[in-house]
Amino acid sequence: GAGVSQSPSNKVTEKGKDVELRCDPISGHTALYWYRQSLGQGLEFLIYFQGNSAPDKSGLPSDRFSAERTGGSVSTLTIQRTQQEDSAVYLCASSLAERLYQETQYFGPGTRLLVL
Amino acid sequence: SQQGEEDPQALSIQEGENATMNCSYKTSINNLQWYRQNSGRGLVHLILIRSNEREKHSGRLRVTLDTSKKSSSLLITASRAADTASYFCATNSGGSNYKLTFGKGTLLTVNP
Repeated sequence: GAGVSQSPSNKVTEKGKDVELRCDPISGHTALYWYRQSLGQGLEFLIYFQGNSAPDKSGLPSDRFSAERTGGSVSTLTIQRTQQEDSAVYLCASSLAERLYQETQYFGPGTRLLVL
Repeated sequence: SQQGEEDPQALSIQEGENATMNCSYKTSINNLQWYRQNSGRGLVHLILIRSNEREKHSGRLRVTLDTSKKSSSLLITASRAADTASYFCATNSGGSNYKLTFGKGTLLTVNP
């Protein structure tokens, strides 16, 4: 596709519910990243995928957070038993991953999550 | 933790003026990138400068990098109202050659 897409754009949920956030990376990009942007913490790295595997999950804030990627393309970030502090904008990015440390990461528009 | 720290936190200028934003970081880097964000949504990539580069241009943007001072600056020349946005620097460093660490951003307001 033309760019990274994310769905839904906005999600309002009740505390304790599970939510799934979806990311479609740019076609051909093998690396995929999830970040979170919240008022108190700024932009934080959550997880990185190379193909379908996630070599670095170090940014996931708790075991309520998980992510998977299938077919080297679409990724889903799942938050179980949501808490109010999970409210944030969740941003996905992708890159070609040929030379990671020299690469641009292209970001999607984000999903704004509000936990009531 | 935040690797990059932008300065100033907020900047208000008139259309046509130049805007300069600075970013400082703490550890050695592979590259430094500048992003723009409108209305708290998606980040738009502006420019990437590698650790062995000192200056880079793209249209009205000029980025400098001083690795000895661990700092970078973003200059927007002849600003327009449409440049109003938050600007973030992000560093890619050392062992984490994929993870971007962002600063808190500079909110730029360009008044018509």
